[in-house]
Amino acid sequence: IAGITQAPTSQILAAGRRMTLRCTQDMRHNAMYWYRQDLGLGLRLIHYSNTAGTTGKGEVPDGYSVSRANTDDFPLTLASAVPSQTSVYFCASSDSRVSGANVLTFGAGSRLTVL
Amino acid sequence: GQNIDQPTEMTATEGAIVQINCTYQTSGFNGLFWYQQHAGEAPTFLSYNVLDGLEEKGRFSSFLSRSKGYSYLLLKELQMKDSASYLCAVYDSNYQLIWGAGTKLIIKP
Repeated sequence: IAGITQAPTSQILAAGRRMTLRCTQDMRHNAMYWYRQDLGLGLRLIHYSNTAGTTGKGEVPDGYSVSRANTDDFPLTLASAVPSQTSVYFCASSDSRVSGANVLTFGAGSRLTVL
Repeated sequence: GQNIDQPTEMTATEGAIVQINCTYQTSGFNGLFWYQQHAGEAPTFLSYNVLDGLEEKGRFSSFLSRSKGYSYLLLKELQMKDSASYLCAVYDSNYQLIWGAGTKLIIKP
C-alpha cells in the first residue's frame, strides 16, 4: 500500500441497499475526509475525522455515516442508498485538519451508481 | 454565502501559456490551494498561497491577491499532459476547505 487505498473502484447498487466504501491510508496522517464529486460542482465534504476516535459532519452528511476506530481506516457507510447518492467518492487524508499548508492526499476514488 | 468562481473550460495550444483565474468570497482566509485532476483520477496538489504575490514552481506559478479575493494559476510551455481540470480551494477562518467546481483545460496540438 502506498498512500490511500479505496475499495471498491466502482459499484452499481440497488436503491435501499446498504453499502460501505472502504478507505485505508499508510501515511499515519491524523486527519481523514470523505468527499463526493458531482459534475459541475466542487468537491463537497461529507464527513471528516481530525484523529482516531473522533468524527465530524461536513457539508452534506445526510444519509452517510463514518467511523474511525484507528489511524489508518475510515469507512463510509450508506445505510439505505438512494439515486441522488450516485457520485464519485474520494477519501483523503492530511497531517492535520487545522493548519495552514494542509495538503490533502486523495485516494483514486470510488464510482457509485444507485439505481 | 461562501463561493469560489472559476471558468468552466479553457482551450490552449501546446507550447503556449495559459492563465486560469479564481475569485473567492469566503468567511476569512487561511490559504488558497490549486490541485490538478486528470480525467478519472484523483486530485493532486499543485500549489499553496497564503501571502500576496507569485509562487513559482517549474512551469507552474500561482498568484494571490488577498485584498481582491483573487488568484490565478499560470501554466507555461504547455504540454499535452497538462490537459486536466484545475481545482481552486480556499481555507476559510474555520479551516473549512471551500472548493471551486474546477476549470477543464483542453490542450490542442
